[in-house]
Amino acid sequence: ILNVEQSPQSLHVQEGDSTNFTCSFPSSNFYALHWYRWETAKSPEALFVMTLNGDEKKKGRISATLNTKEGYSYLYIKGSQPEDSATYLCAYNFWNYGQNFVFGPGTRLSVLP
Amino acid sequence: NAGVTQTPKFQVLKTGQSMTLQCAQDMNHEYMSWYRQDPGMGLRLIHYSVGAGITDQGEVPNGYNVSRSTTEDFPLRLLSAAPSQTSVYFCASSYSRQGDSPLHFGNGTRLTVT
Repeated sequence: ILNVEQSPQSLHVQEGDSTNFTCSFPSSNFYALHWYRWETAKSPEALFVMTLNGDEKKKGRISATLNTKEGYSYLYIKGSQPEDSATYLCAYNFWNYGQNFVFGPGTRLSVLP
Repeated sequence: NAGVTQTPKFQVLKTGQSMTLQCAQDMNHEYMSWYRQDPGMGLRLIHYSVGAGITDQGEVPNGYNVSRSTTEDFPLRLLSAAPSQTSVYFCASSYSRQGDSPLHFGNGTRLTVT
C-alpha cells in the first residue's frame, strides 16, 4: 500500500505569519503531485498540479515546490490571512497500468486574526 | 456552470439496503472517480474510470460497484450497505486520464448506515 504523509497535522498561526507544509510520497512510478485546499463545508479545490522534478508553482501568496527524486513537496503561504484557514491536501498520482491517486491526510491550518 | 453534481447530499440506510449515489459532470472529462472520507484519514479511492466503458478498482473497492455507460455519468452502487460504509463520499473528475490535470470535486454525499 502506497503511503503519502503530510506534516504537520495541524498548525495555528497569527495573521501575517508565513508558513509551510510538507508532503512526502514514494519516488517510484511518479507521474504528478497535486495540492488542494479544502475549506470547511465545501469540497476540495485544486491549487497546483506539478509533474517535473524542480517544478515551482505560484498563485498569489501561495507557492509550491517539488522534488521527485527524494519524494517531497513543500507548500508555502506568505503573509497568512484568516481566509487561508483550511485543510491542505496533497495527492500523489502514479501510473501503474492505469492512473491512480493517493491522498495524504492533510494539514489543517488555522489563521488567527 | 454545473461542474460535478452529486446526489443525494444526505442519506440514511439500514444495514442490508442497497442504493446508488449519482455523479454527473458536464465538462466532457475523461477521468471520473469516487472517494470516501473518514475521520482522521485522507480521501481514499474506491473506483475510477478513464472513459466510457472502462472502470477499475482503487484502494477500497469492496462492497461497491460502478459502471460508466456515458462520459457524463459515473454512479456508485452499494449492494448491501454495512455500518462500515458510513462515510462522506466524493465524486471527482478531471480532463486528462493521465493525472496531469486537476480534479474537480462534487459537494459530497453524507451516508449513514444504521
